[in-house]
Amino acid sequence: EAGVAQSPRYKIIEKRQSVAFWCNPISGHATLYWYQQILGQGPKLLIQFQNNGVVDDSQLPKDRFSAERLKGVDSTLKIQPAKLEDSAVYLCASSFRPGLAGQETQYFGPGTRLLVL
Amino acid sequence: SQQGEEDPQALSIQEGENATMNCSYKTSINNLQWYRQNSGRGLVHLILIRSNEREKHSGRLRVTLDTSKKSSSLLITASRAADTASYFCATGGGSYIPTFGRGTSLIVHP
Repeated sequence: EAGVAQSPRYKIIEKRQSVAFWCNPISGHATLYWYQQILGQGPKLLIQFQNNGVVDDSQLPKDRFSAERLKGVDSTLKIQPAKLEDSAVYLCASSFRPGLAGQETQYFGPGTRLLVL
Repeated sequence: SQQGEEDPQALSIQEGENATMNCSYKTSINNLQWYRQNSGRGLVHLILIRSNEREKHSGRLRVTLDTSKKSSSLLITASRAADTASYFCATGGGSYIPTFGRGTSLIVHP
């Protein structure tokens, strides 16, 4: 079974530029999550999708971050414009059973490492 | 603030020794999960323990949960160099979004 795919693996941009990350979850997984992991910290949930609807985005900085999951499969996370403090690893995860994140096993992709200069 | 907090922040042991790391949390939970993260990679789910369970085993892993003390522990027995990684606990349940702690960095020397 293929795992969660993410691209790109690495991205370097200058502040105020835009960047987009892509995630393809495990086939059949209805729930998709985006996390931000700053160096030395644990992952912080940014947004959770159930199929193509948003379940929780309370920690997503909506003035600069946006995410979508068209057709309930792939998802993109965009930052526009980027700030220095956005430097982090962006992790995508998916899970099979619907419900609140944390109540079922999440499968993580390898992450996208973003550096904002 | 983060719900789960791991302790210690760093742990260094010799191959063959046991490694114990702890997780404390603040509010009621439905379950607690432990994940492992190798350097530069995504997280891998290790084990989930529900609030009505006290202990769970999976291979060389043993997890305990004490809801009265709001704490959990992860024991890795007979550690191997390949166990070198960061370990995170994540709490979930109710209306709370899942939150991860800062993790315990484990180094197992061959």
